[in-house]
Amino acid sequence: SQQGEEDPQALSIQEGENATMNCSYKTSINNLQWYRQNSGRGLVHLILIRSNEREKHSGRLRVTLDTSKKSSSLLITASRAADTASYFCASSYNNNDMRFGAGTRLTVKP
Amino acid sequence: EADIYQTPRYLVIGTGKKITLECSQTMGHDKMYWYQQDPGMELHLIHYSYGVNSTEKGDLSSESTVSRIRTEHFPLTLESARPSHTSQYLCASSAQWNTEAFFGQGTRLTVV
Repeated sequence: SQQGEEDPQALSIQEGENATMNCSYKTSINNLQWYRQNSGRGLVHLILIRSNEREKHSGRLRVTLDTSKKSSSLLITASRAADTASYFCASSYNNNDMRFGAGTRLTVKP
Repeated sequence: EADIYQTPRYLVIGTGKKITLECSQTMGHDKMYWYQQDPGMELHLIHYSYGVNSTEKGDLSSESTVSRIRTEHFPLTLESARPSHTSQYLCASSAQWNTEAFFGQGTRLTVV
């Protein structure tokens, strides 16, 4: 069953603006990861945040985790047209597998 | 770029055919996964493996089977393909559970 749910389902912004995507999950997790998928391709890992971390940065990416609300957010600052893709969160809550949400489809208009 | 490869990238076959989707990785990862993804939808885990000779079913019931005879190879087989099997199949691997997973480019399967 689906563990994570991204919000919004789709987001359209202008180049240079910030994009924020949210993810909610249902059970306690070990960590949460964000992935990016270009149309029709495989997923590429962006960032991993552990359950005892609250915020993490990587370049223009900022991820926060609120375990009390069972939610995470991904912020992409100063977006570029090349950031256009689908973004998925994946939560890991045991030692078997990752559970993905349905993703947020981000469109960055030049 | 990740060293995990899937072949073929695209496949169109007739109903009732047997097919094998190939997945190989050169990173020495013990953990491997197969996900099924319909266009614009979430990924569903259908199979995973702890290592050689280990295979487990995932959340989504699937009529496919997998094998893990070698660390680097995790093929997925459909004995008798049906139109309902039309989807994208993504293979992934990771060094440990709950760590960064590396994905192949996917196989887009169409059963007519």
